Amino acid sequence: AQSVTQLGSHVSVSEGALVLLRCNYSSSVPPYLFWYVQYPNQGLQLLLKYTSAATLVKGINGFEAEFKKSETSFHLTKPSAHMSDAAEYFCAVTNQAGTALIFGKGTTLSVSS
Amino acid sequence: NAGVTQTPKFRILKIGQSMTLQCTQDMNHNYMYWYRQDPGMGLKLIYYSVGAGITDKGEVPNGYNVSRSTTEDFPLRLELAAPSQTSVYFCASSGHAPTYEQYFGPGTRLTVT
Repeated sequence: AQSVTQLGSHVSVSEGALVLLRCNYSSSVPPYLFWYVQYPNQGLQLLLKYTSAATLVKGINGFEAEFKKSETSFHLTKPSAHMSDAAEYFCAVTNQAGTALIFGKGTTLSVSS
Repeated sequence: NAGVTQTPKFRILKIGQSMTLQCTQDMNHNYMYWYRQDPGMGLKLIYYSVGAGITDKGEVPNGYNVSRSTTEDFPLRLELAAPSQTSVYFCASSGHAPTYEQYFGPGTRLTVT
C-alpha cells in the first residue's frame, strides 16, 4: 500500500541556513511524489512534483527535491532559508489506483532571524 | 479566474445538525476532492470524483455524503454532525489524474459543539 512518512513534525532553522525536510515513501507501483506548502490560514500550494522524468526536481521559491529509489526518499531542500519560508510542508504520493493523493502528516518549518 | 472557491469560511454546528459545504471550480477540471485536515494528522481524503455523476469514497467517508451533478460543483454534506467532525475541510481539483497539480480552495473551518 502507498504511504508517506515525514520525519520530524517541526524543523527550526536560522535565516540563511540550509533547509532539509525529510520524506520517505512506500509504494507498490512506480510513485508520483509531490511537495506542497501551506501558509497559515490558506490552502495548499504545489511546490514541486516528481513524475519519473528527472530524479532532481526543481520547484518554486528555490526549493528542490531528489528522488532516491534505493532509499525510498524524496527529501526537500533549499540552500538558504528565508523568513517567508516559514510554513507547513506536506509530502504526498499517488495512491495505487492513481486517482488520489496520500499525504504525510506534515512538517512545520520555523525560520528565525 | 477564481480557481477553487469554498463557502462558508467558518461554521459552528450543534451536535446532530446537518450542513452542506460548497465547493466550486472554474477551471473545467474533471477531478475533484474533499479532504479534512486535523492538527498533526496531515490531510485525509473523504471523497473524490473523476467527473460529473461519478463519486467514490476515500479514506474517511463515514458521516459524509457527496454529489457531482455538474463539472463545476462538488458539495460535501454532513448529516448528524458529531464533535469528531470538527476539522478544517479543503476542496481541491485537478485537470487530470493526481499526477498533475491539485489546486486547493482556502478551506472551511468547522466546529461541532
